[in-house]
Amino acid sequence: GENVEQHPSTLSVQEGDSAVIKCTYSDSASNYFPWYKQELGKGPQLIIDIRSNVGEKKDQRIAVTLNKTAKHFSLHITETQPEDSAVYFCAASRAGGTSYGKLTFGQGTILTVHP
Amino acid sequence: GAVVSQHPSWVICKSGTSVKIECRSLDFQATTMFWYRQFPKQSLMLMATSNEGSKATYEQGVEKDKFLINHASLTLSTLTVTSAHPEDSSFYICSAHSGNVVREQYFGPGTRLTVT
Repeated sequence: GENVEQHPSTLSVQEGDSAVIKCTYSDSASNYFPWYKQELGKGPQLIIDIRSNVGEKKDQRIAVTLNKTAKHFSLHITETQPEDSAVYFCAASRAGGTSYGKLTFGQGTILTVHP
Repeated sequence: GAVVSQHPSWVICKSGTSVKIECRSLDFQATTMFWYRQFPKQSLMLMATSNEGSKATYEQGVEKDKFLINHASLTLSTLTVTSAHPEDSSFYICSAHSGNVVREQYFGPGTRLTVT
């Protein structure tokens, strides 16, 4: 089955700096890669996603890049703000079969943005 | 994005009793719902995949007789933890999407279960 590795486990930055979180996946058939933000005591919130036919996607201060050959994808947050502090999870899934879009999650990254 | 609700948001029960958690898609029809469990400072672990009108598919190591899942309609799935024990205390989260082609999964706010 799919295995997703996420690094770093914790990330501390100053407000205004950029933050980068990286994930690698093992199943070359995976073709959908979402990123979720989870605040304490809440469910994950989808912040951005990318499909395998695209190399990069950007939404304001957030961007995701995908390297299918190397099987890794990254989340980039620019001009970080204290409210960006949360746990971020990457995930991967594949189309077809009986997977029904089942997601495999990375281990999570605790991002702390210091004012 | 689509909205998924869960009820209750938290529950405390005594060991040996059963607890039911509801997951609803509020503004779309969810053909597939997923149930996850999350322990403190850990990632989400998929417990089972639930398709409307059919039996749930459980992940390896998850006891189907202990965690009963019912997906009776396109907007509602329920998870019942039977004969709960303290080790079942966890954060239970559901997610839903509207079809096999659409990949976006929308998550509920989670239910904190504490078994005393």
